[in-house]
Amino acid sequence: GAGVSQSPSNKVTEKGKDVELRCDPISGHTALYWYRQSLGQGLEFLIYFQGNSAPDKSGLPSDRFSAERTGGSVSTLTIQRTQQEDSAVYLCASSSGPPLPAQYFGPGTRLLVL
Amino acid sequence: QKEVEQDPGPLSVPEGAIVSLNCTYSNSAFQYFMWYRQYSRKGPELLMYTYSSGNKEDGRFTAQVDKSSKYISLFIRDSQPSDSATYLCATKGGSEKLVFGKGTKLTVNP
Repeated sequence: GAGVSQSPSNKVTEKGKDVELRCDPISGHTALYWYRQSLGQGLEFLIYFQGNSAPDKSGLPSDRFSAERTGGSVSTLTIQRTQQEDSAVYLCASSSGPPLPAQYFGPGTRLLVL
Repeated sequence: QKEVEQDPGPLSVPEGAIVSLNCTYSNSAFQYFMWYRQYSRKGPELLMYTYSSGNKEDGRFTAQVDKSSKYISLFIRDSQPSDSATYLCATKGGSEKLVFGKGTKLTVNP
């Protein structure tokens, strides 16, 4: 079946602009995650959605970052007033939810802030 | 100290070699241990996961967890050039987030 898809694949923006990154999880998966992968930092958790529960936003680095998940499926990660340090690969993952730990990742969106 | 430590390598081996990849972790609450493979400019691909201590085998890959020493290993037998990638270990405890090591870059030379 189809895996996790993300769009766009690449995004170049200017400092101060807002960007939106989209994630389509695997059909039927109730849990959705966003991570960020930076050079030298590895993969860092950003936010987690599970069904209709309040999201776990504990990994968001600042209030410029927000995410929503509409209809329990597609998710959008928004970064406002982008900074150069926001340049990274943003990865989305989905899973069938607890207790199973396996998370399946999409190909990522490469964000470059000039 | 980071929660999960992983030697970044790079690690270069000849085809057919046995590869050993390792991580250490600090949080005793971690219960699930995963290995992901990531090819260049691709998303991480789940190889296998284990719960608590012990071994798990899948084809040429064996994952090993020693909770007493907080040590995680992945062994690759009969390594192939197609195994060349970055290998990421990850752990999970009470929360749903995965905590990753920084990855080890492996090259298998034909």
